[in-house]
Amino acid sequence: RKEVEQDPGPFNVPEGATVAFNCTYSNSASQSFFWYRQDCRKEPKLLMSVYSSGNEDGRFTAQLNRASQYISLLIRDSKLSDSATYLCVVNQNYGGSQGNLIFGKGTKLSVKP
Amino acid sequence: DGGITQSPKYLFRKEGQNVTLSCEQNLNHDAMYWYRQDPGQGLRLIYYSQIVNDFQKGDIAEGYSVSREKKESFPLTVTSAQKNPTAFYLCASSILGEVYGYTFGSGTRLTVV
Repeated sequence: RKEVEQDPGPFNVPEGATVAFNCTYSNSASQSFFWYRQDCRKEPKLLMSVYSSGNEDGRFTAQLNRASQYISLLIRDSKLSDSATYLCVVNQNYGGSQGNLIFGKGTKLSVKP
Repeated sequence: DGGITQSPKYLFRKEGQNVTLSCEQNLNHDAMYWYRQDPGQGLRLIYYSQIVNDFQKGDIAEGYSVSREKKESFPLTVTSAQKNPTAFYLCASSILGEVYGYTFGSGTRLTVV
């Protein structure tokens, strides 16, 4: 099983739509979770951290289900500028020692007028 | 403004040459990382360093070398032993523990000619 798995998409949605991305991770000891955004030919940028209780930042909502080892990102009222690839990111954590971040391959979103 | 700077933005290498990619940060981060990204692929870890004068191999270290003589700097050398070096190279830094994720530089696009 891959460490971080995402649906590669692309997700093609109209402006104003609500879109949800899902991600599963294999290491049950992972403790840090993030969503990054990567525009074409640019570096990834941190979109938001994901907290156990779920968290919201404007139109973006992130959820974590530790029992199912599942993370989600919901984008409401999509804008053209939301078009990008969204990377699910999880830290490795083995035997209590903090490991590095593992990046999913990303889900591509294209918002159309 | 604090940040992480990679140079050059574009680099062309002849087969058999070694080239060095620069990465400098003024965020006072202890940890630094090098990733490689191929088209349509996720980020793969090449090397990382959590402290000056120490570094660890990542998943794809063969054909690469690094040094960490200063906290601010983590240059990557792509050696002639790297059989397929054409890729997008990303440098990142973080505080130890990855609680706030990684900050990325804008990347270096390396092409073998």
